[in-house]
Amino acid sequence: AQSVAQPEDQVNVAEGNPLTVKCTYSVSGNPYLFWYVQYPNRGLQFLLKYITGDNLVKGSYGFEAEFNKSQTSFHLKKPSALVSDSALYFCAVRVSSGGGNNRLAFGKGNQVVVIP
Amino acid sequence: SQTIHQWPATLVQPVGSPLSLECTVEGTSNPNLYWYRQAAGRGLQLLFYSVGIGQISSEVPQNLSASRPQDRQFILSSKKLLLSDSGFYLCAWGQGITEAFFGQGTRLTVV
Repeated sequence: AQSVAQPEDQVNVAEGNPLTVKCTYSVSGNPYLFWYVQYPNRGLQFLLKYITGDNLVKGSYGFEAEFNKSQTSFHLKKPSALVSDSALYFCAVRVSSGGGNNRLAFGKGNQVVVIP
Repeated sequence: SQTIHQWPATLVQPVGSPLSLECTVEGTSNPNLYWYRQAAGRGLQLLFYSVGIGQISSEVPQNLSASRPQDRQFILSSKKLLLSDSGFYLCAWGQGITEAFFGQGTRLTVV
């Protein structure tokens, strides 16, 4: 089955320090990978995606992610974290079952806490 | 540009009462539509998805049902709510292999 795993429940980082949120994937064939952010009581906001091409993908709000095929990882990164980056982050993979049936399978989510 | 509307934002319903949550998409045609539930502020569970009018796929057995009466309208329903139906419900749309876009969610509390 195609899935993603987010091994950490919570990531604490000091403001101004680099932020990394980990994601590994299990996919047969080429993976289509995504990152989303969720603020309290809000819907998910799309950050970035990897479909094909450059392994380093740049997204919204200064975030980027690196696709690593040998390690089957797609870690989310930000060089300098802000307090406003405190939120829940989800990694997702596209699951296709043919006939136009495409849906996203999400990881469990990582709570990021940026400490002032 | 495409937009997705989901309402109501919050809902408190007694056990045994019916439920109807509505989601509409503007600015696109023939989208894939999804209903997710998020319990305890964490993981997302896909409940239903639809690739066209009247075409509904259910991911998990449950007390809920979904319908797609129009191309850009997706409705989540229940005839009799259970306490366990409480949660944060999210509607989303997508096309092809690209990302999905989410509504703002409905916080349902069954009392």
